[in-house]
Amino acid sequence: DTAVSQTPKYLVTQMGNDKSIKCEQNLGHDTMYWYKQDSKKFLKIMFSYNNKELIINETVPNRFSPKSPDKAHLNLHINSLELGDSAVYFCASSQQQDTQYFGPGTRLTVL
Amino acid sequence: SQKIEQNSEALNIQEGKTATLTCNYTNYSPAYLQWYRQDPGRGPVFLLLIRENEKEKRKERLKVTFDTTLKQSLFHITASQPADSATYLCALDQTGANNLFFGTGTRLTVIP
Repeated sequence: DTAVSQTPKYLVTQMGNDKSIKCEQNLGHDTMYWYKQDSKKFLKIMFSYNNKELIINETVPNRFSPKSPDKAHLNLHINSLELGDSAVYFCASSQQQDTQYFGPGTRLTVL
Repeated sequence: SQKIEQNSEALNIQEGKTATLTCNYTNYSPAYLQWYRQDPGRGPVFLLLIRENEKEKRKERLKVTFDTTLKQSLFHITASQPADSATYLCALDQTGANNLFFGTGTRLTVIP
């Protein structure tokens, strides 16, 4: 029983394309997150979202947009992909101010 | 500027010894601090959380301390085992809204 799942695990695409990464959690948590981990393994929060509020890290380009069809899902859409977007993207979820549970990650490679 | 530094990028330790990892932060006032473990190719896994009004927290062979005056947290693994080899990340939540800011990580290798 996977708590937080992401698809795809690997994504290879050309510069300029638009792509999406899906995330689902079956923990009943009310908050979900997206993180980016760069080649130096630095993990940086991009968004946090619950049914009331979206908090955006101000350094995230507006080419990135989270979309939540329901409480259990938070998808990440990326427009006009750039080389610098290559990284591992992690989804996470938590119940209010508590432990975050991370997904397995999606390795995005932009060629 | 705000910084969260884990002062060793890599730490090698002999099996059975105590590993001590350090997390220092600048220009944050965290409501709490968390420690995570990350294995290669996997997402971080939560280990311990310590709040600003707590000095120490323990869980089995793990111990975390939190000194808000020094702006530092220490993470100890006693009786270390090769299976403890991983990257360990500290993370701060300044607002209490659970938006975590992660440190640079320390890659621990326990040598048999």
